[in-house]
Amino acid sequence: KNEVEQSPQNLTAQEGEFITINCSYSVGISALHWLQQHPGGGIVSLFMLSSGKKKHGRLIATINIQEKHSSLHITASHPRDSAVYICAVGSQGNLIFGKGTKLSVKP
Amino acid sequence: GAGVSQTPSNKVTEKGKYVELRCDPISGHTALYWYRQSLGQGPEFLIYFQGTGAADDSGLPNDRFFAVRPEGSVSTLKIQRTERGDSAVYLCASSQDGNYGYTFGSGTRLTVV
Repeated sequence: KNEVEQSPQNLTAQEGEFITINCSYSVGISALHWLQQHPGGGIVSLFMLSSGKKKHGRLIATINIQEKHSSLHITASHPRDSAVYICAVGSQGNLIFGKGTKLSVKP
Repeated sequence: GAGVSQTPSNKVTEKGKYVELRCDPISGHTALYWYRQSLGQGPEFLIYFQGTGAADDSGLPNDRFFAVRPEGSVSTLKIQRTERGDSAVYLCASSQDGNYGYTFGSGTRLTVV
């Protein structure tokens, strides 16, 4: 079993839909990261959180430490949100990465 | 510069050769991280620097891999006797002190032929 599991692996949505990507982990962590990777592009850090909830624009990330689970929500999705979203957990840079969720938002 | 800069962006080398990959972090960021991403996979941790010292090098796959950060800013990842399995995108990230979000570079795509 992978230490970081993301679901779904692939997600296709229509523009405007509310999107949820889930991440479950089995190791102890000090922080969880949500990252965005565009095709052929670099990685952008979206959130780093260790408890509760964070919001940035249309993106919301939540984490439940007791349940070892985090969700990334995208409200009013747009085609430019199409990317691979990666969950990573760990401490002090020694991160374990999930395999990513490939999101495609159709106009 | 404003972001994390990695050079070269692409490197093709022959099996058995030595390569150096460079990472120039955001000015003032004390924490620097190296990761490796193989095709279709998520990144894997290699090594983490806090200042000049390697705080955690447990992700380096074997002794062919070595990284330095002599002045606490630019870091170089060195790979000796490259093998085809070393082909991957090597990512560098930096953080203000490890307790803030990371900024990633665009990566160096290494191809060993």
